[in-house]
Amino acid sequence: DTEVTQTPKHLVMGMTNKKSLKCEQHMGHRAMYWYKQKAKKPPELMFVYSYEKLSINESVPSRFSPECPNSSLLNLHLHALQPEDSALYLCASSQDFMGADTQYFGPGTRLTVL
Amino acid sequence: GQQLNQSPQSMFIQEGEDVSMNCTSSSIFNTWLWYKQDPGEGPVLLIALYKAGELTSNGRLTAQFGITRKDSFLNISASIPSDVGIYFCAGQGHTGNQFYFGTGTSLTVIP
Repeated sequence: DTEVTQTPKHLVMGMTNKKSLKCEQHMGHRAMYWYKQKAKKPPELMFVYSYEKLSINESVPSRFSPECPNSSLLNLHLHALQPEDSALYLCASSQDFMGADTQYFGPGTRLTVL
Repeated sequence: GQQLNQSPQSMFIQEGEDVSMNCTSSSIFNTWLWYKQDPGEGPVLLIALYKAGELTSNGRLTAQFGITRKDSFLNISASIPSDVGIYFCAGQGHTGNQFYFGTGTSLTVIP
């Protein structure tokens, strides 16, 4: 099983709203990732968690706040977003972070900020 | 971060034709990956390559890890309409933060 699940599938929010994206994997992977993807562009890395600790923050604005409650779950809390933050948000996981392990992606959450 | 150059950027082909695309980098990688992404969905792993010179097939798909470790190729034989999508290569170094996507190849198959 190489499944990564993400909820919700679609999200529309106003600039003053607070919402959260959720990601789950049950493959025993210890590295989890958040990516942002604009149309027809490759995914851009936002955050990496390794063994439930934040390892990489690619200079992401503080209006995006990641959280890793346990080894299977990854959240992305959203607050005071801008319309330009509208994008497909992808979660991925891999066996480990330090090794050359393949990343498996979830289906994504399509976010629209009004 | 680093981006890998993929070509062609887009392809329009007739159903039944074969497709070739490639990915090049100025750096060497330990692993090359090929993903396919349908609109509004996440990338789905097609083929993973772990050794220079390795040639791996997955159904109608064949991918090769270049000898120089700086490039990779993906071929699709006898294309069908469901092959439509964007194909991304990805190169990976020793650590997880050395993971870079290609610029993508958009494939359209005309029935």
